[in-house]
Amino acid sequence: EAQVTQNPRYLITVTGKKLTVTCSQNMNHEYMSWYRQDPGLGLRQIYYSMNVEVTDKGDVPEGYKVSRKEKRNFPLILESPSPNQTSLYFCASSSRLAGGIGELFFGEGSRLTVL
Amino acid sequence: AQSVAQPEDQVNVAEGNPLTVKCTYSVSGNPYLFWYVQYPNRGLQFLLKYITGDNLVKGSYGFEAEFNKSQTSFHLKKPSALVSDSALYFCAVSNDYKLSFGAGTTVTVRA
Repeated sequence: EAQVTQNPRYLITVTGKKLTVTCSQNMNHEYMSWYRQDPGLGLRQIYYSMNVEVTDKGDVPEGYKVSRKEKRNFPLILESPSPNQTSLYFCASSSRLAGGIGELFFGEGSRLTVL
Repeated sequence: AQSVAQPEDQVNVAEGNPLTVKCTYSVSGNPYLFWYVQYPNRGLQFLLKYITGDNLVKGSYGFEAEFNKSQTSFHLKKPSALVSDSALYFCAVSNDYKLSFGAGTTVTVRA
């Protein structure tokens, strides 16, 4: 079954404690990306990756890091989480089209609370 | 910079009536346009996309959208809404590999 898998699905942590949210896809997609969803703001892109070892900033990259060492994995790293990073996070993947991306396949979401 | 506006936070319709969810965008170059839906407590699902070609795009669950270049709009439509269409709808625009979403429109279809 084609899917994007995120872990953990729920996490409560404290300010400053480093954490990683993993994301894995089994569709051999070149493109992967991370979003955060906040009420009234929709989804905002954090980082995206067009292929292995190629990453770029989205609209809200501050406080986050990513890496793309393998095609299937795209972890999101919060080096020193702060309460304003409390949010619902989605990972997504897509095939690349000429000049852009195709439809996104989303993970189930990871709800993060930073105390 | 690219952006998406969904001017209505909420849309309420009666079952069986037409449903329209509005979206306008701003982007340089030729846009890729998308609609996604989020059902309560679930992830996001793709509905339809416009890349090129016919301005009227048909998608999943009986939805369609019309691309209007002069008005920079991409409104989502369904001729006859169902209670099960109640959800949060997002319009998105992509230019190159960056993707921007609107704030979302909550659709409530009453029986």
